[in-house]
Amino acid sequence: GEDVEQSLFLSVREGDSSVINCTYTDSSSTYLYWYKQEPGAGLQLLTYIFSNMDMKQDQRLTVLLNKKDKHLSLRIADTQTGDSAIYFCAEGYNNNDMRFGAGTRLTVKP
Amino acid sequence: DAMVIQNPRYQVTQFGKPVTLSCSQTLNHNVMYWYQQKSSQAPKLLFHYYDKDFNNEADTPDNFQSRRPNTSFCFLDIRSPGLGDAAMYLCATSLTRSGNQPQHFGDGTRLSIL
Repeated sequence: GEDVEQSLFLSVREGDSSVINCTYTDSSSTYLYWYKQEPGAGLQLLTYIFSNMDMKQDQRLTVLLNKKDKHLSLRIADTQTGDSAIYFCAEGYNNNDMRFGAGTRLTVKP
Repeated sequence: DAMVIQNPRYQVTQFGKPVTLSCSQTLNHNVMYWYQQKSSQAPKLLFHYYDKDFNNEADTPDNFQSRRPNTSFCFLDIRSPGLGDAAMYLCATSLTRSGNQPQHFGDGTRLSIL
């Protein structure tokens, strides 16, 4: 069946850039989302991109979408210890149903 | 600030004892969702309400029910919790069921079963 896949873990040093990757299989998705989940908390919407866009930038966050390869990435510039969390990629449909990946745990080392 | 509020943050219940989780929202959104999230897994949609219309996912167990008495509140009832129902339960809202309306999540209720 269709799936959203992410690497489970990523470790970076404070001040470096982080790049979290995601692949999806369903070309009918219309929006792609990134959510952040800190320990014991809910999902915080970080950013989202319409499927006919290639890139979206929002302060330290840059989202790149390669629709041909069904590849989505989230780049966090100047990563801080407060960015340590689990990041979920999700694809969304016209009826607002969403399919989530299993999440990437980002660890930022001082 | 407008938000999605879940109570309690932590809930402990006994095996087989009914439990109710609560969600309220000040966003005045039409749609409310309940998700189950187990450790290191993606959230799994249980059901949603669009206004008063209830929509159950095909694989949601009958043990899980929901009520939405008004726009602001939505409840998740687990009639006879089993050990496998221990999880984080997330409530989310969206303005409509349109794809350009992201879902906004509460902080979740972590349910433990003794």
